[in-house]
Amino acid sequence: DAKTTQPNSMESNEEEPVHLPCNHSTISGTDYIHWYRQLPSQGPEYVIHGLTSNVNNRMASLAIAEDRKSSTLILHRATLRDAAVYYCILRGLYNYGQNFVFGPGTRLSVLP
Amino acid sequence: EAQVTQNPRYLITVTGKKLTVTCSQNMNHEYMSWYRQDPGLGLRQIYYSMNVEVTDKGDVPEGYKVSRKEKRNFPLILESPSPNQTSLYFCASRGLGQGLEETQYFGPGTRLLVL
Repeated sequence: DAKTTQPNSMESNEEEPVHLPCNHSTISGTDYIHWYRQLPSQGPEYVIHGLTSNVNNRMASLAIAEDRKSSTLILHRATLRDAAVYYCILRGLYNYGQNFVFGPGTRLSVLP
Repeated sequence: EAQVTQNPRYLITVTGKKLTVTCSQNMNHEYMSWYRQDPGLGLRQIYYSMNVEVTDKGDVPEGYKVSRKEKRNFPLILESPSPNQTSLYFCASRGLGQGLEETQYFGPGTRLLVL
């Protein structure tokens, strides 16, 4: 799987939008972009994924750049419960037998 | 409800005393794996299994064993635990497709302390 780069940490105020960036300049045309998050003392959980188009679900939105070399996870109104480590992971087509590689991710702090 | 369960959640043991951490999933997933998480080292895969009776080493398999006799269960065995195996352990399962089909589900974690 291609490599991703994320900021080590970010801070947000409660009830404000948060934009978490991820760079993946070596992405291939068939790589899916996955986001997971890990709340304190819990296992990682799925947030959202996309291929080319922007995606929305009940947890977040995923904005994918037109050239696909970067993406942004958007939390529309951060809550204290959103404080977590967020991981951006690329998954290639037919890589389903390979491990998910969790990098260091971005540690998001939410201030009340 | 889709879930991965692990037991026990917390375990304190002594060096050399064999232990087993159980993992079970209810989603009929083919792929199951074990990770350990240590401060500054992130999540590292220990072993994985792509189906019943098919297991393989991950990145840090030394000191661990696994078995996959049933599709839903994937126990982690430490035959002679040592203090460097003190860690937080996660079991995970997923399907073998693309996109949403390979969404990975994690258990709640097992915190192990080896004295």
